[in-house]
Amino acid sequence: AQSVAQPEDQVNVAEGNPLTVKCTYSVSGNPYLFWYVQYPNRGLQFLLKYITGDNLVKGSYGFEAEFNKSQTSFHLKKPSALVSDSALYFCAVRSLADRGSTLGRLYFGRGTQLTVWP
Amino acid sequence: EAQVTQNPRYLITVTGKKLTVTCSQNMNHEYMSWYRQDPGLGLRQIYYSMNVEVTDKGDVPEGYKVSRKEKRNFPLILESPSPNQTSLYFCASSLGVDRGIYNEQFFGPGTRLTVL
Repeated sequence: AQSVAQPEDQVNVAEGNPLTVKCTYSVSGNPYLFWYVQYPNRGLQFLLKYITGDNLVKGSYGFEAEFNKSQTSFHLKKPSALVSDSALYFCAVRSLADRGSTLGRLYFGRGTQLTVWP
Repeated sequence: EAQVTQNPRYLITVTGKKLTVTCSQNMNHEYMSWYRQDPGLGLRQIYYSMNVEVTDKGDVPEGYKVSRKEKRNFPLILESPSPNQTSLYFCASSLGVDRGIYNEQFFGPGTRLTVL
């Protein structure tokens, strides 16, 4: 079965410092990986995705993520955190092995609450 | 404005009273999906639809029904709600799965449902 793990429920970082939000996955076949962000009382917004190609993916708001196939990880990073980055972050995965009745499945992690303090 | 809309945004109901949460998108997306968000569990997929008249189960379909009669609408039906269906529900849409390419999803604002 496909799954996503976000090992940290909470990440705290000071403004201006680099941040990392971790994500590991388990899928059969090659993965499509996504990061979404949820601000308070809002729906999720797309940040970035890895489909194929360069392992370092750049996304919205200065975020980037590095795909590491050997470690089955897709950690979200930002060189310099802002207070406005404080939000709930979700990693999600789709598997190229999904076919037929599972073709549209998307698997989310439990989310990581990022708090950036001034 | 491109968007996914959900109604109602907030709903308090009682056990067993049938309800429908509507979802509509104006982006001509083929793919639509429903999720529930619960503390400590993240988002779990309930049902999804690859296109009109095509629906499939997600992780937690029990107690829910969906239909996709039109491309823009994907209502979620709870025929006999129970307290364990108290949750925050999100509808999402995206372009279709084309030759294995998965596109990012656009999410609605959420519907907070309480079942007493």
